[in-house]
Amino acid sequence: AQRVTQPEKLLSVFKGAPVELKCNYSYSGSPELFWYVQYSRQRLQLLLRHISRESIKGFTADLNKGETSFHLKKPFAQEEDSAMYYCALHSGNTPLVFGKGTRLSVIA
Amino acid sequence: GAGVSQSPSNKVTEKGKDVELRCDPISGHTALYWYRQSLGQGLEFLIYFQGNSAPDKSGLPSDRFSAERTGGSVSTLTIQRTQQEDSAVYLCASSSSTSGRVPSFGPGTRLTVL
Repeated sequence: AQRVTQPEKLLSVFKGAPVELKCNYSYSGSPELFWYVQYSRQRLQLLLRHISRESIKGFTADLNKGETSFHLKKPFAQEEDSAMYYCALHSGNTPLVFGKGTRLSVIA
Repeated sequence: GAGVSQSPSNKVTEKGKDVELRCDPISGHTALYWYRQSLGQGLEFLIYFQGNSAPDKSGLPSDRFSAERTGGSVSTLTIQRTQQEDSAVYLCASSSSTSGRVPSFGPGTRLTVL
């Protein structure tokens, strides 16, 4: 069965500090991994996907198949990064499976 | 272009009443999803429609929950005999092959069962 685990419910960091939001997945095939973000009073939106291998708003994520991880990283956190972050897995025609989310709080 | 829209944005109901939540997907999107977002539980998959295929109902928590998608467009999620534990934000999303099958989400309907 597909499963996505985000071990941290809440992560607090100081502005300018590095950020790493952890995501581990369980799936035997070749999944597609995503990070979604939800800012306060806004709808859930796609942040990045592993096949794009791009950096969005300074965030990057690398798929590590050996460790079955897709951690989200940013070298210098900004206050506007404070939001709820969800890791999600997609395979074939199945719907996205989400983790329970991590709330990132960036302290000035 | 217009994104996914949902109505109502907020719904307060009494325990035992039925509710209907509406989703208007992005025009041309063949796939439509319903998720439930509640504190501490993240996003729970409820049901998935893909084109003319039979919907994937594997996430519906009980037979009080049902959903329809008429004409391959608008979808309605119905919850019968609502319970307090049904209180949550219900999110709809849609996607298509041209969007890379990446779901775009609506603003959600916040359901409160008193």
